[in-house]
Amino acid sequence: DTAVSQTPKYLVTQMGNDKSIKCEQNLGHDTMYWYKQDSKKFLKIMFSYNNKELIINETVPNRFSPKSPDKAHLNLHINSLELGDSAVYFCASSRGERAQYFGPGTRLTVL
Amino acid sequence: DQQVKQNSPSLSVQEGRISILNCDYTNSMFDYFLWYKKYPAEGPTFLISISSIKDKNEDGRFTVFLNKSAKHLSLHIVPSQPGDSAVYFCAASARGEGSQGNLIFGKGTKLSVKP
Repeated sequence: DTAVSQTPKYLVTQMGNDKSIKCEQNLGHDTMYWYKQDSKKFLKIMFSYNNKELIINETVPNRFSPKSPDKAHLNLHINSLELGDSAVYFCASSRGERAQYFGPGTRLTVL
Repeated sequence: DQQVKQNSPSLSVQEGRISILNCDYTNSMFDYFLWYKKYPAEGPTFLISISSIKDKNEDGRFTVFLNKSAKHLSLHIVPSQPGDSAVYFCAASARGEGSQGNLIFGKGTKLSVKP
């Protein structure tokens, strides 16, 4: 009965490829997020999205794009992958601005 | 420029004793604070939160204290159990228009509870 799920859990790919990470939540939340945990273990917000608004962290390259087919899903597409994109990516969801619930993470390795 | 700081990278406590994890913040606009617990290879798990209108919130063995004047919060775990061993993240947000509650995280403190 996973509340926030992500696939795949591990993703290994070559530089220059395009890849997607999927996220689904079954909590009935209206807001979803993507976070990146870098090599220094900092968790940083990349995007937040509800059915009204997408807020993008200005430091995120435009090679990254979130796509939401419906309220329960927020997928992350990454074009032209670079070595520096290697990190753990976490999806999260919340009801409005209340506590966020996180998925298990996707470890992306770019070779 | 870290807005949320956890200055202790690690903490070791004996089982049954109190664990105190500390967090400092710099942004006076933050009005909602949370603690998350994270095991290796898992996502952060929400533990407890506190609004800036309160100075204490308690949930079972977990209590969060907020000192707004000092821009400091702490998480107390009593009694500590070996299963509490994990990395604890402090997070803060400035709720309101345009923020969508985006969380700013500290770097985490690794808690080890020894039997």
